[in-house]
Amino acid sequence: LAKTTQPISMDSYEGQEVNITCSHNNIATNDYITWYQQFPSQGPRFIIQGYKTKVTNEVASLFIPADRKSSTLSLPRVSLSDTAVYYCLVGDPFSNYQLIWGAGTKLIIKP
Amino acid sequence: DGGITQSPKYLFRKEGQNVTLSCEQNLNHDAMYWYRQDPGQGLRLIYYSQIVNDFQKGDIAEGYSVSREKKESFPLTVTSAQKNPTAFYLCASSLQGSPGANVLTFGAGSRLTVL
Repeated sequence: LAKTTQPISMDSYEGQEVNITCSHNNIATNDYITWYQQFPSQGPRFIIQGYKTKVTNEVASLFIPADRKSSTLSLPRVSLSDTAVYYCLVGDPFSNYQLIWGAGTKLIIKP
Repeated sequence: DGGITQSPKYLFRKEGQNVTLSCEQNLNHDAMYWYRQDPGQGLRLIYYSQIVNDFQKGDIAEGYSVSREKKESFPLTVTSAQKNPTAFYLCASSLQGSPGANVLTFGAGSRLTVL
């Protein structure tokens, strides 16, 4: 099972681009990379998912190098409301029950 | 709007009591999950169900029980056998399989406190 390593915490300022990197050295061929966001006392919310190269949606981009041993979540022009915990998960789409949730990255956005 | 409803949002329990947390979804998702979250930590899987009338233990099933009699409902009972039940409980659901379809949708959570 692929475990992930991500920074415990990060700080940034409003209007900046924030990049959170996740390491997953033992990612398997069938595994996808998924990021979730969680605010205090709420359930996590899906942000983005990808397999390789780059994926972009209305809230974030996900960059995955060719070896897939790491990935970077990019949040453009963050605001105070982006302060949250961000989780990087790696797993087979057919086996959500095998996902391993680490402590995530606590992102604090300052004015 | 489709989503997952968990109730109650806050629950207090005396030691030795069983309590049941409700989880209902109207997303027509096949799979449902219960997670436990302790302060500053990630989620840990308690039970999951991929189909009606079937469920499997997760990593920390001891002291918990579930049922899946309807596709929409997956209640969790925290029994008196659970030695440290104070936690934030999250219910989630997903479709089965293909990328994109498998992303988890979570409820707002239920916070259980043992007095």
